[in-house]
Amino acid sequence: DAKTTQPTSMDCAEGRAANLPCNHSTISGNEYVYWYRQIHSQGPQYIIHGLKNNETNEMASLIITEDRKSSTLILPHATLRDTAVYYCIVRPRSGLGSGGSNYKLTFGKGTLLTVNP
Amino acid sequence: NAGVTQTPKFRVLKTGQSMTLLCAQDMNHEYMYWYRQDPGMGLRLIHYSVGEGTTAKGEVPDGYNVSRLKKQNFLLGLESAAPSQTSVYFCASSSRDREREKLFFGSGTQLSVL
Repeated sequence: DAKTTQPTSMDCAEGRAANLPCNHSTISGNEYVYWYRQIHSQGPQYIIHGLKNNETNEMASLIITEDRKSSTLILPHATLRDTAVYYCIVRPRSGLGSGGSNYKLTFGKGTLLTVNP
Repeated sequence: NAGVTQTPKFRVLKTGQSMTLLCAQDMNHEYMYWYRQDPGMGLRLIHYSVGEGTTAKGEVPDGYNVSRLKKQNFLLGLESAAPSQTSVYFCASSSRDREREKLFFGSGTQLSVL
């Protein structure tokens, strides 16, 4: 799986957009970008994933650069409850019938996002 | 919806003792996983299962055993606990369809081995 680089920590004001960057310059053509977050003392939570097109769901937006070497997770209106460690993960998407080994997600150290009042 | 439930939430063991961590999911997911999380190490996969009756080793399987006798349950066993197994353990599950990379995690079990 491709290596990712994220800032160790970021701050954001409540109500403002939080933009979390991730560099994945060695990403290959079949690798997807996944974002998870972990609120203190809880298990990780899936946020969003994408291949090359920008994606949006009820939680966030994912912007992937045209060369796919970096991406940005956007929380449009950050709240105090969004304070968490955010993990950017790059890995291939497994095909149908593949074994569980293709579903391993390797979590790095992530970015600690602190949303301030 | 309960989702993924882990029991117990906290446990303290003495070196050499054994215990079993239970994970239960009510989403009819085929895949289940056990991770451990240590400071500065991220989450590391211990064992996983792609279906009832099947298990496989992950990145750090030594010292652990698992069983998946029922689709909804995934048990993690420590036969002879060691201080190096002090960690937070997370169970996760996912489906086998288009949402298979969307893992659902439990709230964790904090284990201390003295």
